[in-house]
Amino acid sequence: EDQVTQSPEALRLQEGESSSLNCSYTVSGLRGLFWYRQDPGKGPEFLFTLYSAGEEKEKERLKATLTKKESFLHITAPKPEDSATYLCAVHNTDKLIFGTGTRLQVFP
Amino acid sequence: DAGVIQSPRHEVTEMGQEVTLRCKPISGHNSLFWYRQTMMRGLELLIYFNNNVPIDDSGMPEDRFSAKMPNASFSTLKIQPSEPRDSAVYFCASGPRTVATNEKLFFGSGTQLSVL
Repeated sequence: EDQVTQSPEALRLQEGESSSLNCSYTVSGLRGLFWYRQDPGKGPEFLFTLYSAGEEKEKERLKATLTKKESFLHITAPKPEDSATYLCAVHNTDKLIFGTGTRLQVFP
Repeated sequence: DAGVIQSPRHEVTEMGQEVTLRCKPISGHNSLFWYRQTMMRGLELLIYFNNNVPIDDSGMPEDRFSAKMPNASFSTLKIQPSEPRDSAVYFCASGPRTVATNEKLFFGSGTQLSVL
């Protein structure tokens, strides 16, 4: 069965304290791995798509990487506005399967 | 573009009542998805449509749930009768291409459903 596991469930960081979020997956026929950001009371918002092991994508303070079994979302020198829930999802043959997310809080 | 529009934003109802959630996808998008989000289970796919045709409804919990997409600009998710365990946030999302080649999805702001 296709599965996505994210860790940690919650992460508290001081402003400027870099860290990484993990997404482990098992899927048959991976067509892509996605990262979304979700703010309270809103729907998920697309961040990145990664398609093959070794691929990396960057956006501002965020960098996503992919291996054959997991993906990392690295946050460099985070700011309070980076506080949100970060969701990982894998695209198998026909649909997206989401993990339960990592709730990130960044304190000034 | 206004994005994916869902209504209502909040719905409070009593057990046994019928609930209808509505979604207007982004114009020109070919696929539409209904998800349910809870703290325990995260985002779960209920059903998705491709060019207005239901493709996979295996995520629909039981016969009390039904979804329709009468045209490219409107979809409904109906729960009849509703039960307290249906309380969750329901999201609609649309994608620009067919499901098999879909890349990113665009989500609405969700409907917070509370069944008392």
